[in-house]
Amino acid sequence: VQLQESGPGLVKPSETLSLSCIVSGGSISNYYWSWIRQSPGKGLEWIGYIYSSGTSNYNPSLRSRVSISVDTSKNQFSLKLSSVTAADTAFYFCAREDSTIDAFDIWGQGTMVTVSS
Amino acid sequence: QSALTQPASVSGSRGQSITISCTGTSSDLGSFNLVSWYQHHPGKAPKLMIYEVTNRPSGVSNRFSGSKSGNTASLTISGLQAEDEADYYCCSYAGTIPKIFGGGTKLTVL
Repeated sequence: VQLQESGPGLVKPSETLSLSCIVSGGSISNYYWSWIRQSPGKGLEWIGYIYSSGTSNYNPSLRSRVSISVDTSKNQFSLKLSSVTAADTAFYFCAREDSTIDAFDIWGQGTMVTVSS
Repeated sequence: QSALTQPASVSGSRGQSITISCTGTSSDLGSFNLVSWYQHHPGKAPKLMIYEVTNRPSGVSNRFSGSKSGNTASLTISGLQAEDEADYYCCSYAGTIPKIFGGGTKLTVL
């Protein structure tokens, strides 16, 4: 199974950041799928997850601005983060969580998103 | 919850052993045996090295081991090799926030 993030590398302040993660080599069904980011010079931050059925959960610090959706027909899931600021500039990773071991067993390579006018 | 605390950097010579610590609180890391560790070579996808504190996924070298005492988890790498040079992140289940990560540790192999 491989994951590949895609989306604009540059987003203007106050606009909505939109990224997609395509799952190849396996089914998106019956797994939790997360978005995780790494701001420059900082550690990783879990943004949220969606289960293949559509159930989602978000980091409380971002909950008011985040939405994660899944499209099982396309074997992909997506992230929307609204009202972005420079603080949202980061590398964004998508990852699969194996709930039986409570760990992210497969990651994408990540995509850099810069928030700037 | 705040992020887990890791040293910013550690170093060791080839063949030696190093340990990276990861400190949380009794509300997160200390309350659950759900600590995982990830190796990240910049530009590549992070790789799961340890899950549930001590378990290694298939294919991960037995030079990597994990442990936990109280609110602190540790990753030990023995017989350091050049390819071990990377960033390492710990992660824990934290209840209200399903996952919190450490700030990352840059490992330099001398």
